[in-house]
Amino acid sequence: EIVLTQSPGTLSLSPGESATLSCRASQSISTNSLGWYQQKPGQAPRLLIYGASSRTTGIPDRFSGSGSGTDFTLTINRLEPEDFAVYYCQQYGNSPRFGPGTKVDMK
Amino acid sequence: EMQLVESGGGLAQPGGSLRLSCAASGFTFSNNWMHWVRQAPGEGLEWVSRITTDGGDTTYADSVRGRFTISRDNAKNTLYLQMHSLRAEDTAVYYCARDHLFASGRSAFDVWGQGTMVTVSS
Repeated sequence: EIVLTQSPGTLSLSPGESATLSCRASQSISTNSLGWYQQKPGQAPRLLIYGASSRTTGIPDRFSGSGSGTDFTLTINRLEPEDFAVYYCQQYGNSPRFGPGTKVDMK
Repeated sequence: EMQLVESGGGLAQPGGSLRLSCAASGFTFSNNWMHWVRQAPGEGLEWVSRITTDGGDTTYADSVRGRFTISRDNAKNTLYLQMHSLRAEDTAVYYCARDHLFASGRSAFDVWGQGTMVTVSS
């Protein structure tokens, strides 16, 4: 069973700063299977990144994903007010898994 | 516009049953695997179940296997989740999500419904 760990749990930043979110898998996973989702309070999750590094249509290029094996990163450059949210990584497999999430809140 | 709309949530007693529905529009429903994902109050996302395009193969999380049944009616563009033997720990917002296969074998959940709340309490 693959377990995803996300760090930090909470990231307190100001608009204009950059955010680096980490997702670590308990065993090596395919980059094809790693996705990142954004969720704002009271809303459904939204797919940002699939295949570890490909942005979904309409996602600004300040969002970027990278990584391979067991370590993956979501980077948000120049945070905008609308970027303050919870971010989940997901391993897509026969039994998809989500990480516990990283909350990016405003300092 | 691609859209998923869940319904059927509400209050159920422990040991009771509920059936959730998810109506799809704006895309060819029968072409996509579909999933249910839930989120307990204040908690993270938990994948619940998956169904293939024709309904011939289903997969469940250990926490619901044997109690929940996923199904679909492609003629009605609707996904279902039949829930039996409900427990307090099943209390959550339940989302349906579309499984999309991108190029080069990459898959993810690219369309989500707004969710329906299920509360299990006496």
